[in-house]
Amino acid sequence: NAGVTQTPKFQVLKTGQSMTLQCAQDMNHNSMYWYRQDPGMGLRLIYYSASEGTTDKGEVPNGYNVSRLNKREFSLRLESAAPSQTSVYFCATSTGLVSNQPQHFGDGTRLSIL
Amino acid sequence: DQQVKQNSPSLSVQEGRISILNCDYTNSMFDYFLWYKKYPAEGPTFLISISSIKDKNEDGRFTVFLNKSAKHLSLHIVPSQPGDSAVYFCAANLQGGKLIFGQGTELSVKP
Repeated sequence: NAGVTQTPKFQVLKTGQSMTLQCAQDMNHNSMYWYRQDPGMGLRLIYYSASEGTTDKGEVPNGYNVSRLNKREFSLRLESAAPSQTSVYFCATSTGLVSNQPQHFGDGTRLSIL
Repeated sequence: DQQVKQNSPSLSVQEGRISILNCDYTNSMFDYFLWYKKYPAEGPTFLISISSIKDKNEDGRFTVFLNKSAKHLSLHIVPSQPGDSAVYFCAANLQGGKLIFGQGTELSVKP
């Protein structure tokens, strides 16, 4: 049971390049999320998808786009990467967009932009 | 404006003793609080949660206390074990499932 799978695990980009981070889940969860983690700042929500076919902005959406391809997959795209987007990106899922449902996280994508 | 704060970046405790991790928040609209544990090169894993209508929740060695008047919650680990060494994140739920995370506290449990 893989849970939440993120690909790739590591990536180095040059400023201005584009990149899509992939997330797939086999938990049959309805809701999916993308976070970034920066030193000293905890995790911040970039975008989320309450259910298949819907996406909404989180706390720090600028510079990113997302696609909820189907129930299993939720991708995050950087159209023109900037050094400020160097971070560790985590995908998470939950049964639904309800308060008492914990989120389950993938192991992250470590992205460096030069 | 940091709505959820963990003011101690690190904590060192002896094996067998109690670990107390603290978290403060500013928004009284938070309705659920969660603690996550994170090992290096892995994603956070859910540990324990508490509803804003309760003041205590226990799960084995882990207990979370909520003081709404002080806007403060704490995670107690008793007894602490070396395998508990990790970064602990406090998170608060604002609307539905959207979480606001604290900065994390790195716990080191020494044998």
